[in-house]
Amino acid sequence: QSALTQPPSASGSPGQSVTISCTGTSSDVGGYSYVSWYQQHPGKAPKLIIYEVSKRPSGVPDRFSGSKSGYTASLTVSGLQAEDEADYYCCSYAGSNNFVFGGGTKLTVL
Amino acid sequence: EAQLVESGGGLVQPGGSQKLSCAASGFIFSGSAILWVRQASGKGLEWVGRIRSKRNNYATEYAASVKGRFTISRDDSENTAYLQMNSLKTEDTAIYYCTRGLELAFDIWGQGTVVTVSS
Repeated sequence: QSALTQPPSASGSPGQSVTISCTGTSSDVGGYSYVSWYQQHPGKAPKLIIYEVSKRPSGVPDRFSGSKSGYTASLTVSGLQAEDEADYYCCSYAGSNNFVFGGGTKLTVL
Repeated sequence: EAQLVESGGGLVQPGGSQKLSCAASGFIFSGSAILWVRQASGKGLEWVGRIRSKRNNYATEYAASVKGRFTISRDDSENTAYLQMNSLKTEDTAIYYCTRGLELAFDIWGQGTVVTVSS
């Protein structure tokens, strides 16, 4: 199972919006509505911010939103804040009880 | 507060074995799937495997990279899950996280435990 494809880096100024893509195949992103996104600050454990493509867990700001079209899922962070600077990983269910992560995107708030 | 705490990491020689523990508190452990995810230094996340709840017959699934070498188990009476790692390779060196599965996502994470495979 190959890793999902994410851009290595993304950036935006405070208050702006940034979108991070996550591209897979028909066997993972394109085949299931079970894409999740995780935020990871340096030295910390990942934190779930989006599940089932577009749902937010309790406590996650609505500045974070998710979507999917075809084989590509996207995470949009609106109204960028300094604390949003982190690594972001997508993950998809890949059938046969397997999961696959993306390679991660480092988000820089300029 | 729902929490997972990993332990058991350390230095092990190639070909050796190591057993990690994942202690849960603050939620109904017995009804939850538990997964293991690892992260090599400076690298991305990699799913290792999953153990389901008793309702799902404690079914286990593993990534191809560890299948046949790693075994996940659980003791619901102790609210603890385990990752038994055998025939370890240098490429297994990573931070190992346990996490709770929810709707095919991972909503509670431990702080991780470091496993270093080196001679």
